[in-house]
Amino acid sequence: QVQLVESGGGVVQPGRALRLSCVASGLTFSNYGMHWVRQAPGKGLEWVAVIWYDGSNKYYADSVQGRFTISRDNSKNTLYLQMNSLRAEDTAVYYCARASGSSGWYYSDYWGQGTLVAVSS
Amino acid sequence: EIVLTQSPGTLSLSPGERATLSCRASQSVTSSYLAWYQQKPGQAPRLLVYDASSRATGIPDRFSGSGSGTDFTLTITRLEPEDFAVYYCQQYGTSPPVTFGPGTKVDIK
Repeated sequence: QVQLVESGGGVVQPGRALRLSCVASGLTFSNYGMHWVRQAPGKGLEWVAVIWYDGSNKYYADSVQGRFTISRDNSKNTLYLQMNSLRAEDTAVYYCARASGSSGWYYSDYWGQGTLVAVSS
Repeated sequence: EIVLTQSPGTLSLSPGERATLSCRASQSVTSSYLAWYQQKPGQAPRLLVYDASSRATGIPDRFSGSGSGTDFTLTITRLEPEDFAVYYCQQYGTSPPVTFGPGTKVDIK
């Protein structure tokens, strides 16, 4: 069965950096686009970034553009989110989610359990 | 950017009742590329419906989606205890690649 397991979350000071990982199993990872979606405490879902199956296209939410970078290593079945210049408002649970197709223009049919990022001094 | 509005914000119902959740888009959703997700506390979202009206694998038939253009509906015909949760709509046809609505909470009356 498809499994997505996020890691790398934790407590970090404002202005610092953090890298999240998402390891996929039970699927041909290189065939699918992948999303990062976050959820601040007590709030709704916010799409963060997407990467095409081959890494050829990447899109970001305005709120993270220029600070976050999505990438993938298909040889390791792993998705990444490099988060720089973190702010208090980036505090959230970060989910990776599989797009149901090769690009980002698809719904997400599998989700990880999330990793918590807390930005605080 | 397409903005999604969900109503009501909270729906208080009893088990066995019918739930009707609305999702309205600020502009027409391309090819009815609209999905619905269910989220329970402490859990990841779960896909219920995609392409506005197609049920995802393993989703009970009491869940149904409908609509097109700018107006979409998720209907739960008879609420089961496990259906009390937050429901989000999402469009995935227009840039930015995806956007979510703010959610509707279905709680026990």
